[in-house]
Amino acid sequence: GDSVTQTEGPVTVSESESLIINCTYSATSIAYPNLFWYVRYPGEGLQLLLKVITAGQKGSSRGFEATYNKETTSFHLQKASVQESDSAVYYCALGNTGNYKYVFGAGTRLKVIA
Amino acid sequence: DTTVKQNPRYKLARVGKPVNLICSQTMNHDTMYWYQKKPNQAPKLLLFYYDKILNREADTFEKFQSSRPNNSFCSLYIGSAGLEYSAMYLCASSRDVAYYAEQFFGPGTRLTVL
Repeated sequence: GDSVTQTEGPVTVSESESLIINCTYSATSIAYPNLFWYVRYPGEGLQLLLKVITAGQKGSSRGFEATYNKETTSFHLQKASVQESDSAVYYCALGNTGNYKYVFGAGTRLKVIA
Repeated sequence: DTTVKQNPRYKLARVGKPVNLICSQTMNHDTMYWYQKKPNQAPKLLLFYYDKILNREADTFEKFQSSRPNNSFCSLYIGSAGLEYSAMYLCASSRDVAYYAEQFFGPGTRLTVL
């Protein structure tokens, strides 16, 4: 079946430093799944951060960006300069065009320290 | 309003007793989902409603029931709770069941079975 593997947390980064959270996927039934990053801030539900549905393209939101790389089956999340308010749990997810379902990674907890 | 509400936020249940969790949304979304989330694991899809049609995952088919009396409400029912049901239960909704659709999540219900 499909699977998503992402950086195991917690990840601690100092404010204004750069961030990368790795995400790789395996989609056994389809060649080009849709890819998402969701974020859960403390006390809130998961919310969409960004999505990319076309291989080779980049999505961006709130200073974060991720590029859909079909050669390496990766969708790493990056930010050039993190802020304390970015402290949250980040989930990479795959949307399977064949069965209409999402598959999530286990999440990466990010803590940004001043 | 893009809020998905879940009640209760915390639930304590005894082994062998039934559990009923409630979710609501006012976005007029066609699809509502229930996920189970355990620590350090990915959210796992249990079932989803597309309009009035219930789709349950094969590996949890007999463990969870659901009802959707109207477009706004959806419940998750456990007939006889076991210790293994202790988890966070996430409800989500989306405009349709497409693999590209953004899902809107509630804050979750934390179920503890003793």
